[in-house]
Parts: sequence; structure tokens; C-alpha cells
Amino acid sequence: AQKITQTQPGMFVQEKEAVTLDCTYDTSDPSYGLFWYKQPSSGEMIFLIYQGSYDQQNATEGRYSLNFQKARKSANLVISASQLGDSAMYFCAMREGGGSEKLVFGKGTKLTVNP
Amino acid sequence: GAGVSQTPSNKVTEKGKYVELRCDPISGHTALYWYRQSLGQGPEFLIYFQGTGAADDSGLPNDRFFAVRPEGSVSTLKIQRTERGDSAVYLCASSASGNSIQPQHFGDGTRLSIL
Repeated sequence: AQKITQTQPGMFVQEKEAVTLDCTYDTSDPSYGLFWYKQPSSGEMIFLIYQGSYDQQNATEGRYSLNFQKARKSANLVISASQLGDSAMYFCAMREGGGSEKLVFGKGTKLTVNP
Repeated sequence: GAGVSQTPSNKVTEKGKYVELRCDPISGHTALYWYRQSLGQGPEFLIYFQGTGAADDSGLPNDRFFAVRPEGSVSTLKIQRTERGDSAVYLCASSASGNSIQPQHFGDGTRLSIL
């Protein structure tokens, strides 16, 4: 079973509008962390935002925020005021507790920002 | 400051050859990770080092793959008897140790093509 599911292969948004990228996860571990990364066409993976399973508040980082719904096991990324430079692949990833350090990634969502 | 550096950026070789991929992590980062990313997929975990030792090598696909980190800094991923299915982008990441919320910072990757 997939641990990270990103159901949107591609998303389109108009410049200056907000967009939500979906991510659901599957784990029985009470301690875990969720990460979002951006991968432009140039290939580098850029860390965007982190949410811990015990965090009481949704994480925010500039124009990025994470809509964390623990009971639904979802961790959607919200990008506000989209910019042309936001066009890229976006990956959701999870790190489980218990000493495991590896990240498990979803298949990604390709975001295109239109002018 | 300097990020994670990977060399070479591209490597083309023939089936059956031996290849070495190098990763130079961010200075002071004790944790180092190797991932493999196939076209259209998210990165897949290969191996994780804490210092000089491989703390988790559960992602290595078979015994043709081996990685070392002899001095706790630079790491080399070694692939013997390469096969066409090994073609992918190999990503290296590093993170500060001791805190599981630390994000992994990725290099630009090595694009490996097996002819």
C-alpha cells in the first residue's frame, strides 16, 4: 500500500491566485513528520515546509501553508498568491518515527501557473 | 553557504560497467542519504548514513549497489555490473543530526544513463 498519495498529477492556477495540492498518508506510527518539496525543471529538490504529527498548529512558511488534518491523514499544501516561478513538481513526503530517517515520497503533482 | 554537491552531474556508460557517484554534504551535517528518482516518480530511498556507518541500507535494490562514507563526510555510491534499469537520477541529501524535524537538503543529482 502506498504510504503517500498525491492524487493530482497536474494542476493549473492563474497567477496571483491560491492553489491547494493534495496529500494523504498512511501510517500506524503516532510519531511522524510530513514534508513538502518543490522540484523545478532544473531538477533540484527544494524544501518548503514541515509539519510534525504532534504539532498543534498548521505550519506556515511565507506563502506556503500546510492544511494538516490528522484524523483524515491529510497534509495539503496551500500556496497563496501564485507566481510564475511556482511552476514545478511538488512532492509530499513522510518520515516515520522509531528511528527511521528515510523519507517516503509521493509521485508528485505538476503545478503550472498561468499568466 | 555551500549546499550538497554531487559529481558528476551526468554520467553515461555502457551496460556492465562499474560507476561511482560522489556526494559532498553540507558542512557539519552528520546524516547523509541517497535516493534514486526514475522518470515521473518521486525519489526512492536507498541508504542512510549517520556518521561513517550505514544506519539503514534497506533501500538498496541488490548487492550490485554499495555505498561508503569512510570519514563521515563525503560519500560514494558504487554500482557494479550496471544494467539499463539502473538509469535514473541519483540524489544525495544531508541533514543536521539529533533532531528528526530537520529537513533533508538535496543536491542537484547525478543523471545516470546506462546504454
